Amino acid sequence: EAQVTQNPRYLITVTGKKLTVTCSQNMNHEYMSWYRQDPGLGLRQIYYSMNVEVTDKGDVPEGYKVSRKEKRNFPLILESPSPNQTSLYFCASSWGLNSNQPQHFGDGTRLSIL
Amino acid sequence: GQQVMQIPQYQHVQEGEDFTTYCNSSTTLSNIQWYKQRPGGHPVFLIQLVKSGEVKKQKRLTFQFGEAKKNSSLHITATQTTDVGTYFCAGRGSNYKLTFGKGTLLTVNP
Repeated sequence: EAQVTQNPRYLITVTGKKLTVTCSQNMNHEYMSWYRQDPGLGLRQIYYSMNVEVTDKGDVPEGYKVSRKEKRNFPLILESPSPNQTSLYFCASSWGLNSNQPQHFGDGTRLSIL
Repeated sequence: GQQVMQIPQYQHVQEGEDFTTYCNSSTTLSNIQWYKQRPGGHPVFLIQLVKSGEVKKQKRLTFQFGEAKKNSSLHITATQTTDVGTYFCAGRGSNYKLTFGKGTLLTVNP
């Protein structure tokens, strides 16, 4: 089954404790992206990747890092999480950005930073 | 940068009433996509509009793309409780960047 898998689904942690949210897709998609969703603010893009070893900042990249060493995986790293990063995070993938293909979203990761 | 405004932010209707959400872009779009997010779920792709003035229908849902390719609408006829959720538009600009609107949360009173 074609899917985007995020882990963990839920995480409560404390300020400053490094964490990684994993994202994996099995559709051989070139394009992957991370979004955060906050009430009243919709979906805001954090980082995106056009292909392996190619990443770029989205609209709200501060406090986050990503890597794309393999085509299927696109982890989101919070080196020193802060309470303002408490949010619902979605990973998404699609064929190349210029292919006009829809985004396929993971089930989401709800992070609470205390 | 490219901005996509979506209104209204919330809409509460009685079951059987119609519903419309509107998107407006600050720049001309190459296409626009619509997504639905059920409560507790993730956004799911509904449809994509590419051509100026395009109209597409999916059962009770009607999607329109403006002639200038800067605005779009989603209209639901005779809402049902299964229509509950947040509807997002996402506009793709000339640089291929996909920008999401803030979404419209639809609630339906049975």
